[in-house]
Amino acid sequence: ILNVEQSPQSLHVQEGDSTNFTCSFPSSNFYALHWYRWETAKSPEALFVMTLNGDEKKKGRISATLNTKEGYSYLYIKGSQPEDSATYLCAFRAGSYQLTFGKGTKLSVIP
Amino acid sequence: DVKVTQSSRYLVKRTGEKVFLECVQDMDHENMFWYRQDPGLGLRLIYFSYDVKMKEKGDIPEGYSVSREKKERFSLILESASTNQTSMYLCASHGTATVEAFFGQGTRLTVV
Repeated sequence: ILNVEQSPQSLHVQEGDSTNFTCSFPSSNFYALHWYRWETAKSPEALFVMTLNGDEKKKGRISATLNTKEGYSYLYIKGSQPEDSATYLCAFRAGSYQLTFGKGTKLSVIP
Repeated sequence: DVKVTQSSRYLVKRTGEKVFLECVQDMDHENMFWYRQDPGLGLRLIYFSYDVKMKEKGDIPEGYSVSREKKERFSLILESASTNQTSMYLCASHGTATVEAFFGQGTRLTVV
């Protein structure tokens, strides 16, 4: 079983604050790293798929970086809004078919 | 739009019943997956399939089986439901060439 760790497990931030959280994964046999946002009562929604060391991706106020050599990825949210409240999942894909998920970071943005 | 559809949003079943959870995708994806999600444990892989009639055990296959008779459909079977199988079940699929996975809306199963 591959070990994918996310930290923190949960956090509360004030509206307008910027925040970031971490995903660490095995540094060997890397194929792709996924970030998903999972809002209550909805399906997980893909945010980013990153495949190359040094990748940086951005979607609006959310961005992500990838370091495959040391096995970590950061997700950043700039100027958090209440609608950003969700669980953020990262998933590691080795040279195989399956995604191994972390336990997620639950973000609550307080208005 | 890619669609992954699970047959039920909510199910309540009795202990010992045989339970079928169905998942259908419309993107001709080769790979399909069943996960369960429990508080504090994240998403855990039960079974996956990379082709019709092919199946592989994930991390927690005990008490479950699967069926993939057609490419678009992947069924999860609880042979004899138990209360510890009360959970949220998520189906996902992706193509072999594509890296992005798509999820169904989830089935919240309660076994009483």
